[in-house]
Order: sequence, then C-alpha cells, then structure tokens
Amino acid sequence: DSGVTQTPKHLITATGQRVTLRCSPRSGDLSVYWYQQSLDQGLQFLIQYYNGEERAKGNILERFSAQQFPDLHSELNLSSLELGDSALYFCASSVEEWGTDTQYFGPGTRLTVL
Amino acid sequence: AQSVTQLDSQVPVFEEAPVELRCNYSSSVSVYLFWYVQYPNQGLQLLLKYLSGSTLVKGINGFEAEFNKSQTSFHLRKPSVHISDTAEYFCAAGRLDSSYKLIFGSGTRLLVRP
Repeated sequence: DSGVTQTPKHLITATGQRVTLRCSPRSGDLSVYWYQQSLDQGLQFLIQYYNGEERAKGNILERFSAQQFPDLHSELNLSSLELGDSALYFCASSVEEWGTDTQYFGPGTRLTVL
Repeated sequence: AQSVTQLDSQVPVFEEAPVELRCNYSSSVSVYLFWYVQYPNQGLQLLLKYLSGSTLVKGINGFEAEFNKSQTSFHLRKPSVHISDTAEYFCAAGRLDSSYKLIFGSGTRLLVRP
C-alpha cells in the first residue's frame, strides 16, 4: 500500500459524458501527478500540481482539466468523453516538486467509455 | 526531445535464471533514471533510481541497474528471478536541467516460468 488513494476504482460511462477522478496523496506529500495508461499509448504523463499550483503539463487534452485543493487532494476532470479515453488513470504523489523525487502511485481508476 | 526506449516488450525466463531488462534513453543533458515495477492490477512501485554518484544502483527485491553514460543505457538486472517477479517493468527518465516530469518507456513484461 503506497498511501495514495484513488476513487473510484472503476468507472463506466458513455461517450460525451463528463467524469471526475479523485486522488488523495500520501500524508505530507505536496506534489500530485496524473498519468494515463493505455495499451496503445503506454504510460503518459498528464499534469503535475505542487501545493495547489500547476507545475508541469504533459500530453493532456484540452477536454481534460485538473486541480489541487487546499487539503492537497486532487481531481482530474474528463469531459466530452470519447471511446479512446478508455484507460487506466493513475495518480502519484511525492514530497517535493522535483522530478528527481520518488513518486508513489495509487492503484488507479479504470475508466471505460462505451 | 527526450525519449526512453525499452526494446523488449516481453522477456520470458525460467525461475532462478538471471535476467536483464534493457533501457536506453536519449537526452542532450544530464538525466536521472528510474525503474518502476507494476504487478497485476496494481499501481507502479519504485524499484531503484539513479540521480548521481555510483553508476551501479541497488534496489529492492534483489534488483540492480547500471547507468552507462557512453551507451545511454540503464539496464535492470537480477541474478536469480522468482515466480513473484512476474510483472511489468518500466524505465523512466527525467532531465536535470529544468523539467519536472518523467518520460516513461513502453514497459517490459517479465514472465517467469517454473
């Protein structure tokens, strides 16, 4: 158990819908990262927040957005969902904002878009 | 652009045999490197990381990796594998100059047979 929690574990929805994925980092960690894992794209970095502020952006679509709240939990919002958005979404956390810091991954949220 | 290549998508080995999982990176600047393991239906877990110093890095579960700057490689090795090592292994690299994010390789599935 990494100490990072993600809810829900599974999510099934239809195309065009909007969903919110939630992540609670390890106690004391200030950085939260979001990743998308799919068979064709592999593990892709989406976005990073540090202490409430956006730090780095990766291959995140404009239909996706994220935020980190004062209690440091984070939410990833996915809208206008397409079939290709079906994937495993991971959240990770670390103490510092730097990429050299070890990231601790949550168990993931499996999103299925029908 | 920075990239990480894991040439082998799957590596089958017999139990107690040695194994090497290959990782090559491309970057014009100094990098730091990680190996993560993903067991079935779980998130990623750090095996080891190289930031600087000794090029031979020892990690958990008997794994080690060697940073080779001239060959831009960071291969993962274990002298004797167990059935429980069956998992997906990811190599990741980050740039020491300014980037916060990690670039992950496509993963190598290690399949240990009895």
